[in-house]
Amino acid sequence: AQSVTQLDSQVPVFEEAPVELRCNYSSSVSVYLFWYVQYPNQGLQLLLKYLSGSTLVKGINGFEAEFNKSQTSFHLRKPSVHISDTAEYFCAVSDRADTGFQKLVFGTGTRLLVSP
Amino acid sequence: EAGVTQSPTHLIKTRGQQATLRCSPISGHTSVYWYQQALGLGLQFLLWYDEGEERNRGNFPPRFSGRQFPNYSSELNVNALELEDSALYLCASSSNRYSLAQHFGDGTRLSIL
Repeated sequence: AQSVTQLDSQVPVFEEAPVELRCNYSSSVSVYLFWYVQYPNQGLQLLLKYLSGSTLVKGINGFEAEFNKSQTSFHLRKPSVHISDTAEYFCAVSDRADTGFQKLVFGTGTRLLVSP
Repeated sequence: EAGVTQSPTHLIKTRGQQATLRCSPISGHTSVYWYQQALGLGLQFLLWYDEGEERNRGNFPPRFSGRQFPNYSSELNVNALELEDSALYLCASSSNRYSLAQHFGDGTRLSIL
């Protein structure tokens, strides 16, 4: 069964500092990995996804993530954060059955708090 | 292009009542997913509809049900509401059952008094 672990429930950081949000997964099959962001009172917005190919994935808003199969990790990074990056970040994993069904399994989320 | 739209934004019900939540997918998308985001439980998969059929459901009781209409919009119905059903219900759509990109709406916040 798939599972996702986001060890950090909250990450405080100062504006313009770098940040890394950690995500580890477990799955018995080939995985697809995603990072979503949720701003207050809004739904989820896709930041980036790993399907195959290059292990370094670039997303929107200057975020990137690196897929590490040996460590079963998919950490999210940004070299310089802004106040507007304050939000909840969710890592998710899915597989794809022959029927095409894609169920997203989410981590518990990491709240990124950016202060001046 | 309009995104996924959900209505109502907020819904207040009492225990035992029934709630209906609605979702309009992005134009051209045929798959609709429902997720529950409850405090302390995180985001959990509820239901998946594709081409008008329920394709799979998560670990939720039968009082959670829904349907997908010919225009691919969807309804989520929750019967015999319980206090623990209070949550943000998120709908997502994808272009087809094989697509790996789910686009989310802003959700319906259901509060049970």
